[in-house]
Order: sequence, then C-alpha cells, then structure tokens
Amino acid sequence: DAGVTQSPTHLIKTRGQQVTLRCSPKSGHDTVSWYQQALGQGPQFIFQYYEEEERQRGNFPDRFSGHQFPNYSSELNVNALLLGDSALYLCASSSERGGFTEAFFGQGTRLTVV
Amino acid sequence: AQKVTQAQTEISVVEKEDVTLDCVYETRDTTYYLFWYKQPPSGELVFLIRRNSFDEQNEISGRYSWNFQKSTSSFNFTITASQVVDSAVYFCALSEPHMNRDDKIIFGKGTRLHILP
Repeated sequence: DAGVTQSPTHLIKTRGQQVTLRCSPKSGHDTVSWYQQALGQGPQFIFQYYEEEERQRGNFPDRFSGHQFPNYSSELNVNALLLGDSALYLCASSSERGGFTEAFFGQGTRLTVV
Repeated sequence: AQKVTQAQTEISVVEKEDVTLDCVYETRDTTYYLFWYKQPPSGELVFLIRRNSFDEQNEISGRYSWNFQKSTSSFNFTITASQVVDSAVYFCALSEPHMNRDDKIIFGKGTRLHILP
C-alpha cells in the first residue's frame, strides 16, 4: 500500500516564475493538506482540500493556490515566486470516513528559489 | 490563539541515556488533540502519537513514553535507553479537530535530537 507520494522531490526555480507541486494521497484517503516548512522551522499549514474544494486556509497569500482532482490527488501552485518561498513543501492526507485517521505525510518537495 | 512551544532547539545525549523533549501548548478550546511527529533526514513526518484533551493518562510504547499534564499545558516525550536511530527532529503539534478528522495542525519549531554513539 503506497503512502503519500509527492513529486517532484527537488525543484529549482527563478524568482517570478510559477511552480506546481503534486501529491497523491494514501489509498483510501480523501482529504489533502499542504504545509510549508522553512529551514529550521516547523511545518506551517497552507490549506486543506476535501471534495475538490478548499476547506481551510492558513495565513498565506493568494499567490498560493491549489486544486484537488476527483481521484483525490492534489496540486499546489505558487505564482510570482519569491526567495522566501524556498522551503520543503509537505503534503498530508487523511480520511473523513470511518472515524479518526491521523494525517500521513509525504516526503515533501524541496523547492529552491534563486 | 493556538501555539506550541518547544524550548529545546537541540539536544545531544550519549547512546543509552534517557532523554525528555519538552512541549508546552496554548489553546482556548476545551477539545483538542496533541501530537508528536518524528522527522528523519529523509524529510517525511512520521506520526508517533495522538492524545485527546480528555485523556490525561500517560502512555508508553516500547522505549517511548508521553506525559500529558493539562494543569501545566505540557505534553512531554521521553525516550528511554536512546539509540542512534532515534536521531531526528521531533515536533510537538496541536489541532482542534472537527468530525473526527485532523484539521489544521499547528506545529512547534521542533527539537533536533542527536544520539551520540
């Protein structure tokens, strides 16, 4: 049973560019959350998707947007990249069904903005 | 507002020693969940434990144990007889769940643990 998978593993972009990160949730999970983890910091919640809609959002600008597809996979898009967007981006999946399931995290995408 | 504080930025101990990682949290809600996650160098966050606010029983899982004290808003994590494989960054976290799901999780800044051979 594959866990949460994220792609790509590493990415280097130039300031001002746009980037798309992808996440496939653990089998049976229908909810996807995205987190940004700057170097030396804890992960910070960006947003959460359920039933293809953004359900909750953290304190991130509109440059950060997302999407969830019918198969529950998700994308995180960041426009007009800034140097400060360099971070590890983590995807977590969980399930609405059958009671509590803890969030399972992927290995992340390391984004470097130069 | 919710907040998680891990005052210890970095800890080094010699293998086989016991080590305790401290966690203090703030929340206005009466219903909340507390977590510990481990982050090895690979980057993936590994779930260790979840504790709800109504259950103050301490928990032991092998060499790991957790001490939840609501009176001091603390949820400390102890590793007994530490091993080199325990070296990682450990995060304490808090969420206010709805409908049995994990909603937004608020993480502390983490404690980097070095176990020296």
